[in-house]
Amino acid sequence: AQSVTQLGSHVSVSEGALVLLRCNYSSSVPPYLFWYVQYPNQGLQLLLKYTSAATLVKGINGFEAEFKKSETSFHLTKPSAHMSDAAEYFCAVSVPTGRRALTFGSGTRLQVQP
Amino acid sequence: DGGITQSPKYLFRKEGQNVTLSCEQNLNHDAMYWYRQDPGQGLRLIYYSQIVNDFQKGDIAEGYSVSREKKESFPLTVTSAQKNPTAFYLCASSRRQGALNTEAFFGQGTRLTVV
Repeated sequence: AQSVTQLGSHVSVSEGALVLLRCNYSSSVPPYLFWYVQYPNQGLQLLLKYTSAATLVKGINGFEAEFKKSETSFHLTKPSAHMSDAAEYFCAVSVPTGRRALTFGSGTRLQVQP
Repeated sequence: DGGITQSPKYLFRKEGQNVTLSCEQNLNHDAMYWYRQDPGQGLRLIYYSQIVNDFQKGDIAEGYSVSREKKESFPLTVTSAQKNPTAFYLCASSRRQGALNTEAFFGQGTRLTVV
């Protein structure tokens, strides 16, 4: 069965600083990987996805993530944080076999300090 | 506009009552899902359905029931057997898993509170 671990339930950065949110996955087959963002009392919005094409994936709002098979990681980065980036971020994994539903990590709440 | 509509946005239930959460999508997606969100636990899968008239239990199906009579609709019933139903419930849909572009699209959620 596939799983996702997000290191750090809370991350705080200063406005303009680098954002790094960590995600490690476990899967016995090549996975699909996703990052979602959630603002308070709202649903989830897709930031970016990896589906076995380019290992460096660019998403919306200046975010990107790199798939590293050797490290089983899919960390999310943004060069310069903006106040509007404050939200909760979820990493998710799915596989083309077995249970066909996204499995989510526990989430990382990003705080951006002025 | 295409999307997923969940209703109501807020729902209050007395202990011992069943309640049904609505989820409708007009994206022509085959698959639909229900997740439960609690603080610090991420999203946990309750039920999912890949096609009409078929659905499977997720990780926390006890105390919940679903139906999938139409492609567009996937209602979730929270029964009195669910011991701790207060949570934020999210419905999602996607193309059938195994295809490319299999990301899930989410509704705005229903916050259920037991009083």
